[in-house]
Amino acid sequence: IAGITQAPTSQILAAGRRMTLRCTQDMRHNAMYWYRQDLGLGLRLIHYSNTAGTTGKGEVPDGYSVSRANTDDFPLTLASAVPSQTSVYFCASSRDRDTGELFFGEGSRLTVL
Amino acid sequence: KQEVTQIPAALSVPEGENLVLNCSFTDSAIYNLQWFRQDPGKGLTSLLLIQSSQREQTSGRLNASLDKSSGRSTLYIAASQPGDSATYLCAVLPDGSSNTGKLIFGQGTTLQVKP
Repeated sequence: IAGITQAPTSQILAAGRRMTLRCTQDMRHNAMYWYRQDLGLGLRLIHYSNTAGTTGKGEVPDGYSVSRANTDDFPLTLASAVPSQTSVYFCASSRDRDTGELFFGEGSRLTVL
Repeated sequence: KQEVTQIPAALSVPEGENLVLNCSFTDSAIYNLQWFRQDPGKGLTSLLLIQSSQREQTSGRLNASLDKSSGRSTLYIAASQPGDSATYLCAVLPDGSSNTGKLIFGQGTTLQVKP
């Protein structure tokens, strides 16, 4: 089934540890995004990539980094996790930056203790 | 700064009712507006996408309208079913931000349809 695959689905992490959330899409979409969803704050954009080889900062980029080595993969790394990064993380993609219609993965629930 | 508001935050209706979910945005300069559905513990599923030049879009029992000048969109659900129970989110893509694809999301309306 075509779509977006995120891993892990859930993770408990000690503060200070490094963590990479993986995201793979098989729709050959050019644009990919990472959002975090928090109760009362809604969905907020962390980083985005309009095409392979390029990335950009979203609304809440601090403490996160991304890379886009190819079209399909868009990993999100927390270099040194902090409790405020406890959240549900969603990877999304769209055919291109102007299409607008977003397709989401099932999310990765991260708890930082 | 663009802000998106959805009222009410929660709604409970009996099965079979027609209902309207509301979305308002503060800046009418938008590229498009999208409605999503989110089931508990799941990701978002795109329901309807309305381009700024369009007035409405329909898919099955769902109809979304867009009035840019008043900063409003509505999602109409006909003959509601218990399976429609979910959180519905609207999001706008502000005009001029197409280089980021950054959607601005509302906080959603949680719908419960009672059998």
